[in-house]
Amino acid sequence: ETGVTQTPRHLVMGMTNKKSLKCEQHLGHNAMYWYKQSAKKPLELMFVYNFKEQTENNSVPSRFSPECPNSSHLFLHLHTLQPEDSALYLCASSQDRELTDTQYFGPGTRLTVL
Amino acid sequence: AQKVTQAQTEISVVEKEDVTLDCVYETRDTTYYLFWYKQPPSGELVFLIRRNSFDEQNEISGRYSWNFQKSTSSFNFTITASQVVDSAVYFCALSEGTSGTYKYIFGTGTRLKVLA
Repeated sequence: ETGVTQTPRHLVMGMTNKKSLKCEQHLGHNAMYWYKQSAKKPLELMFVYNFKEQTENNSVPSRFSPECPNSSHLFLHLHTLQPEDSALYLCASSQDRELTDTQYFGPGTRLTVL
Repeated sequence: AQKVTQAQTEISVVEKEDVTLDCVYETRDTTYYLFWYKQPPSGELVFLIRRNSFDEQNEISGRYSWNFQKSTSSFNFTITASQVVDSAVYFCALSEGTSGTYKYIFGTGTRLKVLA
């Protein structure tokens, strides 16, 4: 595997379900990110992890819970979601959290909340 | 005010036409980086180019070229002899800030449709 992988690629869940999104990067990077991409809206940065520590939480509702057990893996735990949470969730990684760093993205998980 | 503006929401061209995607940015920093990404229908954002604020040389990579002009705060992207496979949403992004406060800001994207 190379680059950034995400599973599952598609997910349909009810509002009472609990599910998790997984991201894995094979680039040896230290920083990882979760983004939300909704139709006709800019990419929204949700969380940033650097060396496994959460460094940014951009006012994300608590029904989204990130977890970063090591620098290669990032999870997004979902519970009690709302239909407006339906979106493409993108994971990204970069060497570090520096000005010069390029972010590399995974293919995304397309989430539908019924 | 948006820090990265892609005023063209959607562009349609016929195959083999040249097309330019505009990106205008706003920053007070003297050191910053600009990026372009391509998002095909599959969803993944594919990194295309990174340019630092001190390098105003234009860059060409195959059919792709980029024109960076600090005087107009623009970083435009041109596809020459477009192909159907170029159909995608293209995002411009800006990296700015100081240690501990870095921001990676995306524009809203331009959807390019190349018609056969």
